[in-house]
Amino acid sequence: GAVVSQHPSWVICKSGTSVKIECRSLDFQATTMFWYRQFPKQSLMLMATSNEGSKATYEQGVEKDKFLINHASLTLSTLTVTSAHPEDSSFYICSAAWSGDQETQYFGPGTRLLVL
Amino acid sequence: SQKIEQNSEALNIQEGKTATLTCNYTNYSPAYLQWYRQDPGRGPVFLLLIRENEKEKRKERLKVTFDTTLKQSLFHITASQPADSATYLCALRRLRDTGRRALTFGSGTRLQVQP
Repeated sequence: GAVVSQHPSWVICKSGTSVKIECRSLDFQATTMFWYRQFPKQSLMLMATSNEGSKATYEQGVEKDKFLINHASLTLSTLTVTSAHPEDSSFYICSAAWSGDQETQYFGPGTRLLVL
Repeated sequence: SQKIEQNSEALNIQEGKTATLTCNYTNYSPAYLQWYRQDPGRGPVFLLLIRENEKEKRKERLKVTFDTTLKQSLFHITASQPADSATYLCALRRLRDTGRRALTFGSGTRLQVQP
């Protein structure tokens, strides 16, 4: 099956710093990538959708200047949490899909962010 | 507003029994519904997809039903094993996102299979 990786798997940072999370599709070309956030014991909440080569579409309530998304190639999307604060601590999960399959998303293993 | 509900209470069953998990939705007319497994600290893993015109789908020990009249899907694991212990999520593609394929997830039900 298709494999999606995320790096780092976990990160601890100080309040006010920026953190970049990478999402890579390892064996297919991801025309669309999604970024989700999951708080403990809650479901995945979609943050934004990005299509390769174009600007990301953010969900209502998600600040695009705080969560910068770049999808520069068909195998890589990055999420940068700028000026992170403790309330940004969460589990960030990406998923990837390709244009030939309208139904399936492949999820990465997630990145645990802890902001002190 | 569109809503997906899964039983938030954990389901505890004995090994060998059949586990049945429920997913109810409101204000949706989904073309399909998906089930995922999520282990602690990991991303979801796709299990099954069932389309609106399908009543039932099977994959090994897994069975999913989809009742668009009741707006409900049932997820069954037969001959359950301790390794099946995880959180199971149902997901629907949002009505207005047909082009973008974004998914809305239920909160998940935690299954614990006792040996």
